[in-house]
Amino acid sequence: DQQVKQNSPSLSVQEGRISILNCDYTNSMFDYFLWYKKYPAEGPTFLISISSIKDKNEDGRFTVFLNKSAKHLSLHIVPSQPGDSAVYFCAALSGGYQKVTFGTGTKLQVIP
Amino acid sequence: KAGVTQTPRYLIKTRGQQVTLSCSPISGHRSVSWYQQTPGQGLQFLFEYFSETQRNKGNFPGRFSGRQFSNSRSEMNVSTLELGDSALYLCASSGGRTYQETQYFGPGTRLLVL
Repeated sequence: DQQVKQNSPSLSVQEGRISILNCDYTNSMFDYFLWYKKYPAEGPTFLISISSIKDKNEDGRFTVFLNKSAKHLSLHIVPSQPGDSAVYFCAALSGGYQKVTFGTGTKLQVIP
Repeated sequence: KAGVTQTPRYLIKTRGQQVTLSCSPISGHRSVSWYQQTPGQGLQFLFEYFSETQRNKGNFPGRFSGRQFSNSRSEMNVSTLELGDSALYLCASSGGRTYQETQYFGPGTRLLVL
């Protein structure tokens, strides 16, 4: 039972344009969400997070939006750069210890 | 500050064997979590240790076990290996005091079971 879903396995975007990565979840107990970026042969690195009490969090070129009623979050990257090409994982936690539930990932390719 | 290190980086085993993977967390971090990454499944949570105690456990069979030492280093063991255990095994460390603390991942150990 995949509680966190990333339905797009891949995405291609032109350099300078906006990249939008989507994530849906089913567990209403999740109250903290994160995005990680992963390059080949490296572990995931933390990108940005959002608490369920917010609907938007911004950090430089990265913005995460949370729609609790739709159980949907998205990551916007503006402007996209070739160095952003990686696999992006969304992840969710519920109140308690660090038992993180990850999505299956979306491979982003930014074309120069 | 040194990052999370995992050894070995690559491992080839045969079915039925057992394997032990090691993870050294960032200095000062007391929480270590383990994940299995397979194509199409994303990262799946195995277990989390904090101060030598298993605090959380995912939905994996008992063949998967772990432990944490007093210096916060952690090992993961898989017994009676199956072909489906071939995966990238990642560990992550954090301070562990609140569940919202950022986890820092190591580069992973790639296990191939033949």
